[in-house]
This record gives sequence, structure tokens and C-alpha cells, in this order.
Amino acid sequence: EDQVTQSPEALRLQEGESSSLNCSYTVSGLRGLFWYRQDPGKGPEFLFTLYSAGEEKEKERLKATLTKKESFLHITAPKPEDSATYLCAAFSGYSTLTFGKGTMLLVSP
Amino acid sequence: KAGVTQTPRYLIKTRGQQVTLSCSPISGHRSVSWYQQTPGQGLQFLFEYFSETQRNKGNFPGRFSGRQFSNSRSEMNVSTLELGDSALYLCASSLADLNSPLHFGNGTRLTVT
Repeated sequence: EDQVTQSPEALRLQEGESSSLNCSYTVSGLRGLFWYRQDPGKGPEFLFTLYSAGEEKEKERLKATLTKKESFLHITAPKPEDSATYLCAAFSGYSTLTFGKGTMLLVSP
Repeated sequence: KAGVTQTPRYLIKTRGQQVTLSCSPISGHRSVSWYQQTPGQGLQFLFEYFSETQRNKGNFPGRFSGRQFSNSRSEMNVSTLELGDSALYLCASSLADLNSPLHFGNGTRLTVT
């Protein structure tokens, strides 16, 4: 059975304190991995797609990386507006994603 | 470009009733997927439609069904509601090629009492 595990479940950072979120996966026929951000009361917002081990993508203070077994979302010098739940999802077929349960990030000023 | 639109935003139903949720995808997107989100289970895949045909289905009972219309709009239906069906139901659309990311709506919050 396909599985995606995210850690930690929750993370509290001070503004400017860099950290990383982890997403480990066991998915047969993996085609790639998505990262999403979800704010309370809203649907997930697409951030990145990673297709192969060694790939990296960046957007503002966020950088996503992929290895053969896990992905990391690095947050550099976070700001309070980066507070959200970050979800990773592995995909192996048409529009069928296996999601992790997310990391709830809180950045304090 | 307008995003994925889901209606209604909130629903309160009683056990045993049925409910229909609606989703309008991003213009040009032909694939529509539905996910259930709960605090305990996270996001779980319900089904995916492409060109009015169900292409994939998750591990949910037959009470959960859906359909897609010729304009790519989609509906999902839940019959004989149970308390455990209380969740955020999210619709997502994509361009339908194998590697296209899904773009989600803001969901319908269903509460079953």
C-alpha cells in the first residue's frame, strides 16, 4: 500500500529561524511528488512538483528537494505569513495523489 | 483566470439524508478529482473524472458517487449520510496529463448531525 509520512506533525519557529520539513514515501510506480500549502478554511495551494531524485525547486523562502525515499521542504528565514499546513503528495497515476497528513507550521514574530 | 469553484461552502445535514456537492473546474481543465479531508485521516482520494468518465476510484463505499458533465463541471453525491461523513470535501482540477498538478477549490464543509 502506498504511504506518505510527514514529520514533524507541528513545528513552531521564531521569525528568521530556518528549518526543514520532511516527507518520506513508499509509493509503487512513483512519477513525482507535489508540495502544497494549506491555510485554515481554504483548499491546498500548489507550490512545487519534483520528478526525479536530485531535483530542487525554489520559490521565495521555500526550497524543495527530492531523494529516492524522501523529500524536504526547506524554509529559510521564515516570516509569520509562512504559517500554514504544508502537505506533500506522491503521484503515480492520473490525478490520484497519496497525501501525507501535513506539517502545521507556526512562525512567531 | 478563475480558480476551482465549489458550492455550497457549508452544509449541515441529518443522518440518513443525501447530499450533492458541486464543482466548477478551472477553464480548460478536463480532469476533476474529489478528496475527503478529515483531521484523523488527512486527505483521501474519492474519485477522478475525465471526459465524463470515472477514471479512478478510491476506497470509499458505494454511497459516495460522482459524475462529470460535458462542460467538465462535476458533482458528487453522498447517500444515506453517516456521522463519519462529516468532513471537508475538496474538488481539484487539472490538465489531465500524467504529471499535471492538481489545483484545489476551497471545499465544502459538510457536517452530519
